[in-house]
Amino acid sequence: EADIYQTPRYLVIGTGKKITLECSQTMGHDKMYWYQQDPGMELHLIHYSYGVNSTEKGDLSSESTVSRIRTEHFPLTLESARPSHTSQYLCASSPMGYETGELFFGEGSRLTVL
Amino acid sequence: GQNIDQPTEMTATEGAIVQINCTYQTSGFNGLFWYQQHAGEAPTFLSYNVLDGLEEKGRFSSFLSRSKGYSYLLLKELQMKDSASYLCAVMDSNYQLIWGAGTKLIIKP
Repeated sequence: EADIYQTPRYLVIGTGKKITLECSQTMGHDKMYWYQQDPGMELHLIHYSYGVNSTEKGDLSSESTVSRIRTEHFPLTLESARPSHTSQYLCASSPMGYETGELFFGEGSRLTVL
Repeated sequence: GQNIDQPTEMTATEGAIVQINCTYQTSGFNGLFWYQQHAGEAPTFLSYNVLDGLEEKGRFSSFLSRSKGYSYLLLKELQMKDSASYLCAVMDSNYQLIWGAGTKLIIKP
């Protein structure tokens, strides 16, 4: 069973608030990802990282930031939340050099911005 | 642009067989993946195809034809717990996964 954890699982906040979604994995994986998923829609890559101090932007990165100071930790920050940010955010990880594409996902953080 | 197409929803009967199709147009190809996602849960990995042909894993099989940009996931002996969304994803030339919107499979008794 995958050991990747996300907090909070559910969050309701007001517009303009700064929020950080936490993601931690205990598998020692080098690659970590943040995806956004709306109901019935495809996963959209927000940010990814191939290791400590490495971060890259995905398709939907312009309104959020990430950091990778430790291998196991990959937090996602929204500086000023808007109703359009209401969605499910999924964190995932995979080992470096393991190009079969098997990602291990966390349970997700469901965000509602009022 | 890159595109993954799969049916939005399918319905099947418990004990039967169902085939979920996926067609893709991507910049490069480094493998095709199927994931299962139960409602409100995270996706879990089902299968990986990089060469043409059929890969069998228990009740689930996945087929790939690279020349046709086509794959299918075959589920046999359907069980109620197979009710879920099935996501098709392709790894492109940059080793990034491009995801389809998923096929919601409804199993009826």
